[in-house]
Formats: sequence, C-alpha cells, structure tokens
Amino acid sequence: EVQLVESGGDLVKPGGSLRLSCAASGFGFSYAWLSWVRQAPGKGLEWIGLIKSKTDGGTTDYAAPVAGRFAISRDDSTHTLYLQMNSLKTEDAAVYYCVFFGSFGEGYWGQGTLVTVSS
Amino acid sequence: DIVMTQSPDSLAVSLGERATINCKSSQSILYSSNNKNYLAWYQQKPGQPPKLLIYWASTRESGVPDRFSGSGSATDFTLTISSLQAEDVAVYYCHQSYSTPYTFGQGTKLEIK
Repeated sequence: EVQLVESGGDLVKPGGSLRLSCAASGFGFSYAWLSWVRQAPGKGLEWIGLIKSKTDGGTTDYAAPVAGRFAISRDDSTHTLYLQMNSLKTEDAAVYYCVFFGSFGEGYWGQGTLVTVSS
Repeated sequence: DIVMTQSPDSLAVSLGERATINCKSSQSILYSSNNKNYLAWYQQKPGQPPKLLIYWASTRESGVPDRFSGSGSATDFTLTISSLQAEDVAVYYCHQSYSTPYTFGQGTKLEIK
C-alpha cells in the first residue's frame, strides 16, 4: 500500500523559509517521479513541481509561481522527498501535498501539511 | 500550459439521479504512443486529500463503486455518477498529467438537491 506522510508545516513570516518532508513507503521510491501539489484555503489544487527519478536524470520542473523560490529534492536511501521553500509570500499559504503520480497518471496523495504565511 | 476547464462549477442533483461533470482541455492529452488519455478524476471531501476515482480517462481505480464512470478522449471528458448517493457530496477535479506543468480543473461542487 502506498503511504505518503508529510511534515514540517508551520507558521512563517513573509520572506521566510521552510522545509517540508514527505516520508514514503509501499512503492518503488527510487524509480518514482514525485510531485508537490498545494491547495490554498477554500481554493482548488495547484501542482507546484516534480522531481524525476535518478535513473531518468533526477531533474526538477516547477510551476511558474514558485520557480526560483522553491526547490524539490529527494533522498532515495531514506525514501524521503523534500520541498525547500524560500522567500515565502502570503499567497504561498496552503496545505501542501506530496503526490506520487504513477505511470498511468494515477495519483497517490499524502494527508498534507499546513503552511501559514503571516506576519 | 494546458488549461483544464470544468463545467459546471456547481451542481445539485437528487438522490438516485444521474450527475454529469464535464472537463475540457485546451489541447489534446492523448498519448499517440499508447493511445491513452492522461486524464484522471478525483473526489475531495472537506478536510481530506483528493481521492483517485478514474485514470486514463475511463479506468476505474480499484475499490471505487461502479456508479462512477469516465469517458471521453483527446480534449473532452466526462465524469458520470449514475445514481447519486449521499456520500458522493464532494468537490470533483479533473487532472492532466500529459505534460508539465500538470494542471487541474477548477473543481465542481456536487450537492444534493
């Protein structure tokens, strides 16, 4: 069974930084392309980026609103995905989900972690 | 970027009746190499993460009731709930994973009439 558990959400001031983690189990983590998706309060779903498997180059791809401020990384030895968020803005406040999109496009989601950006 | 547009934004249907949600992509999301549409449907209830219902536009995820079905190809897709149950009240999203940036529809809120 695929399990994804996010952590690290917190209250942070505008301009601050935060790192989220996602502990994964139940699938071939090392071969998986992994994404982060966020959902602002009362709003829809927004994909913010992904990291490919190392066998596929390990490269990252980001949505325009976070490119240059956010960075996704992975530790295949511990089956952990990370999201480093810098220069946070009030509009980055959201629940952040770790998502494994399989080869059929099917998505497996964690429960999410809440990031609040406020002074 | 591929824009996903759902209609309607909200929908009220009587228990036992059919509910239909449409999703249109701004370009084709049909992979010619395997003839698969990279379109999924999710159900989200308050305080919960999205739950996968359908992938490849029409393949039901294991454990999803057969009253849920998906259809369509290329740019036009439909999620149908054949006989609405009370537990189906939720927001439904379509999603394309054909190309990055992956994108979602804006969501359709389904309620009981």
